Amino acid sequence: QVQLGESGPAVVKPAETLSLTCNVSGGSMTSSYWSWIRQSPGQGLEWIGHIHFTGRSDYSPALESRVTISLDTSKKQVSLKLTSVTAADTAKYYCARENYYGTGSYSKFDQWGQGILVTVSS
Amino acid sequence: DIQMTQFPASLSASIGDRVTITCRASQNIDSFINWYKQKSGEAPKLLIFAKYSLEGGVPSRFSGGGSGTDFTLTISSLQPDDFATYYCQHNYNVPWTFGQGTKVEIK
Repeated sequence: QVQLGESGPAVVKPAETLSLTCNVSGGSMTSSYWSWIRQSPGQGLEWIGHIHFTGRSDYSPALESRVTISLDTSKKQVSLKLTSVTAADTAKYYCARENYYGTGSYSKFDQWGQGILVTVSS
Repeated sequence: DIQMTQFPASLSASIGDRVTITCRASQNIDSFINWYKQKSGEAPKLLIFAKYSLEGGVPSRFSGGGSGTDFTLTISSLQPDDFATYYCQHNYNVPWTFGQGTKVEIK
């Protein structure tokens, strides 16, 4: 059973870069995409982007100019960097495994980390 | 981007009630829809994928249906553990988007 765990600073200053790491244990990082999803306090879920072990990545157009997701299969880590943060980026950030199945077209977020709350504040 | 409109935003129901939540996509998404359950302070949990397929370990009282742009999540007999917020999510093409959520509360 794959387990995911997010880590990083709980507070980031405005205009700085938010950097988070997701550690993957108990499974392989190949044949899956790895996503970051966030949830502002009391709000719904927002997909940030994902990366495949081949290096292919996609991002939400709303965040694309500020986001980079990377993968280190040797360390079994997925990383998120979000630049020039503002108070609007305050949220709980989740990493999730995006599992593809069937003909390879369908995907599902079938494993999630516990999430990490990041507050943007000076 | 494909928009997912979920309704109602909240509902009150009693134990044993049949509950239906609806999600409407802004375009045809075939069967590319998943449903998640989130309890307060916890990560979302996958319930249903590909419109009606139950994820392993999910009780059979949960079912998914619909087609094209309109989809439903039904709980046939509400149990105490089902009081939570439910989200739909499409995986038709990136960017993936979620519905705004439906909070199921105790009447």
